[in-house]
Amino acid sequence: DVKVTQSSRYLVKRTGEKVFLECVQDMDHENMFWYRQDPGLGLRLIYFSYDVKMKEKGDIPEGYSVSREKKERFSLILESASTNQTSMYLCASSLVADLSGELFFGEGSRLTVL
Amino acid sequence: KNEVEQSPQNLTAQEGEFITINCSYSVGISALHWLQQHPGGGIVSLFMLSSGKKKHGRLIATINIQEKHSSLHITASHPRDSAVYICAVKGGTSYGKLTFGQGTILTVHP
Repeated sequence: DVKVTQSSRYLVKRTGEKVFLECVQDMDHENMFWYRQDPGLGLRLIYFSYDVKMKEKGDIPEGYSVSREKKERFSLILESASTNQTSMYLCASSLVADLSGELFFGEGSRLTVL
Repeated sequence: KNEVEQSPQNLTAQEGEFITINCSYSVGISALHWLQQHPGGGIVSLFMLSSGKKKHGRLIATINIQEKHSSLHITASHPRDSAVYICAVKGGTSYGKLTFGQGTILTVHP
């Protein structure tokens, strides 16, 4: 069974802390995505990666960075967490870069920044 | 105005009812996804459409490219169908990016 695994389901961090959200997929997909989901705003793309060490900004990259050192792992980094980054974070992967194929999502990481 | 509009935003049904969720979009697209999100967060891909109709079990998805409209139908609804259903479109030139609808919250009562 194909799987996208996010390292933490729930995190509580303090303002200013550095936060790492990890995502691992076992499908050998080249394309991986980080979204955040907020009530009333839906899912918004933060960053995506179409290959190892390659990344592209999404719609809301400010305050975030990403790392893709290995094909199966895509990390989202909050360098200095702020309260407005409290959200649900969802990782996804896809075999096809143009998103004309199936998307596979992780279970989500709910981050609270105090 | 959102590029992807779903209706209704909230839907309550009795077990066994036929359910329709609609998605309208304003841009040209190359693909449309229907996703399901259960309480707790995880999202599952239900369908990817570029034309016509697809069926999987009790779920049917249709798309009309000319009218820029898609529908998700659930036949013989069941309480386990209670979830948020999300429509997402892939624009023709937007590499790697989907535009998401707000989601439709479906509650099916026994």
